Amino acid sequence: KAGVTQTPRYLIKTRGQQVTLSCSPISGHRSVSWYQQTPGQGLQFLFEYFSETQRNKGNFPGRFSGRQFSNSRSEMNVSTLELGDSALYLCASSGSGGQGQYFGPGTRLTVL
Amino acid sequence: GQNIDQPTEMTATEGAIVQINCTYQTSGFNGLFWYQQHAGEAPTFLSYNVLDGLEEKGRFSSFLSRSKGYSYLLLKELQMKDSASYLCAASGGGYQKVTFGTGTKLQVIP
Repeated sequence: KAGVTQTPRYLIKTRGQQVTLSCSPISGHRSVSWYQQTPGQGLQFLFEYFSETQRNKGNFPGRFSGRQFSNSRSEMNVSTLELGDSALYLCASSGSGGQGQYFGPGTRLTVL
Repeated sequence: GQNIDQPTEMTATEGAIVQINCTYQTSGFNGLFWYQQHAGEAPTFLSYNVLDGLEEKGRFSSFLSRSKGYSYLLLKELQMKDSASYLCAASGGGYQKVTFGTGTKLQVIP
């Protein structure tokens, strides 16, 4: 089975721009979660989608949004980028039954 | 609310045993995950404990006490490749809502 894939792997943007990140989960996994990872804060939960519905949301501003498509692929959007948004954005998918989440390689976003 | 505490760094000797502790306060707690993350890589799933007790998987074991809000990851026969960050994460407060600790950076020395 192919793992979780994320595109792009690296991205450089300037303040005020917006960005869209993509995640394809493991085949058969319907839950997709997004995390932001920075050296100081560790892994911070952004949101989780299941069957095209956002089930959970972390404590991030409204500039961070996401969606999930019928094939379980998910996208995350950040508008009006700020310097502090520079981070590794990780996507993780999981199946049913309380299994662990399987992480993609991440997208490294740098905001200049 | 959600709160996870684990030590920031630990050092251990190759071939030895190390225990990484984690305490958590999570509303609607479901279970406790452990992940391993090598520098520059994504986290990889190690274990998931729902019930109290010890679960063993090869050189790695994980323990959970729900009443004490406490877990530990035990690594035996340490190898150099075990040098990594170990993330404790609690599931609760919603479907698949997982709160991560900041991780314990383990350095294995010869």
